[in-house]
Amino acid sequence: DIQMTQSPSSVSASVGDRVTITCRASQGISSWLAWYQQKPGKAPKLLIYAASSLQSGVPSRFSGSGSGTDFTLTISSLQPEDFATYYCQQANSFALFTFGPGTKVDIK
Amino acid sequence: EVQLVESGGGLVQPGGSLRLSCAASGFTFSSYWMSWVRQAPGKGLEWVANIKQDGSEKYYVDSVKGRFTISRDNAKNSLYLQMNSLRAEDTAVYYCARDQGIAAPYGMDVWGQGTTVTVSS
Repeated sequence: DIQMTQSPSSVSASVGDRVTITCRASQGISSWLAWYQQKPGKAPKLLIYAASSLQSGVPSRFSGSGSGTDFTLTISSLQPEDFATYYCQQANSFALFTFGPGTKVDIK
Repeated sequence: EVQLVESGGGLVQPGGSLRLSCAASGFTFSSYWMSWVRQAPGKGLEWVANIKQDGSEKYYVDSVKGRFTISRDNAKNSLYLQMNSLRAEDTAVYYCARDQGIAAPYGMDVWGQGTTVTVSS
């Protein structure tokens, strides 16, 4: 099975900061990776799919990159509404999805 | 409006059963893979199972294989999760979600609000 790790597990940042979250797969998954944002008590929201494609309606300050085993989610200028937990998810095939453990972004 | 609404959660004793439902509206339900994803209290997301558009393929996370069954009724625009032999570790909020990729997984773009399952004596 493909395992996903994320780093850091949490990050404290200020409004306007650039924030980078890393996700690593235990084996190559090409570009089959998605990123989600989740706020407390709410369902996850899809931000990025296919590693670097911005989901419709998502602000352009969010971007994704990477392929193979190493991926990155970048928030170019953190906004108050971006304080949340972020998850990566591998989707190498429909047969098995795996989420990363999550990265909590909170206020510094 | 594109929407998913889960129901059927509740309190159940260990070893018991529960059937979750997810009603879809606002899109052509039969065109999409559908998943169940759960989140234990204070924990991260865990994908549970998914099902192909016509129900011909179903996949499960190892921890629920043999105990949970995913199904769908395209005529009723509904997704189901039959959960048997429930354990305390199955306690979670259960979300249904749509994968926006028709032929390849491109991320889950529509989610329900979740239904809570508590397994406790």
